[in-house]
Amino acid sequence: AQKVTQAQTEISVVEKEDVTLDCVYETRDTTYYLFWYKQPPSGELVFLIRRNSFDEQNEISGRYSWNFQKSTSSFNFTITASQVVDSAVYFCALSGGGADGLTFGKGTHLIIQP
Amino acid sequence: GAVVSQHPSRVICKSGTSVKIECRSLDFQATTMFWYRQFPKKSLMLMATSNEGSKATYEQGVEKDKFLINHASLTLSTLTVTSAHPEDSSFYICSARDAGESNQPQHFGDGTRLSIL
Repeated sequence: AQKVTQAQTEISVVEKEDVTLDCVYETRDTTYYLFWYKQPPSGELVFLIRRNSFDEQNEISGRYSWNFQKSTSSFNFTITASQVVDSAVYFCALSGGGADGLTFGKGTHLIIQP
Repeated sequence: GAVVSQHPSRVICKSGTSVKIECRSLDFQATTMFWYRQFPKKSLMLMATSNEGSKATYEQGVEKDKFLINHASLTLSTLTVTSAHPEDSSFYICSARDAGESNQPQHFGDGTRLSIL
């Protein structure tokens, strides 16, 4: 069975601070995909990144960066110089091959204070 | 980019009513669509996988007679909550896989907030 653990239920930081959201996953699949989504209060899911299990390269996109480490089954997400607009719930998710749906973590509620 | 339209965005209705939610892929063909449910301040839970032209596959614990799924075309899947009760109140969100893309990306609709009085 697949499992995604986001141990941080809520994080509150002051604007401009850097913040890292942790994600640890469990799967028996050799091929799998990892995702991060942002869910603002309006409810829609905003896709941030997809990474497959064979690509351990870290990725940077503007103020966002992701660190994928298969050795520790982690896929952490860092926001640099946080802004109030980054406030949202962030979900890490996992999918196996084929026609699998996503297994989501419980989400981390990120609060950026001005 | 790929767009998934989910309708309605919000429904408020009386107990006992059946409610239909539509999920459409607007600019791609979706052989597979997924339905998720999210309780307030909780995570998203996969309810079922909807495959075009065949029966949906339900996750353990999801009542298939309660949550009817139909995927009659490559661009439309519907979820009908039959004889809805207050405990069915939740946020329902669909996603779709583009049949023309590899590595199974999923594109999400904006969700439907269902409130049963």
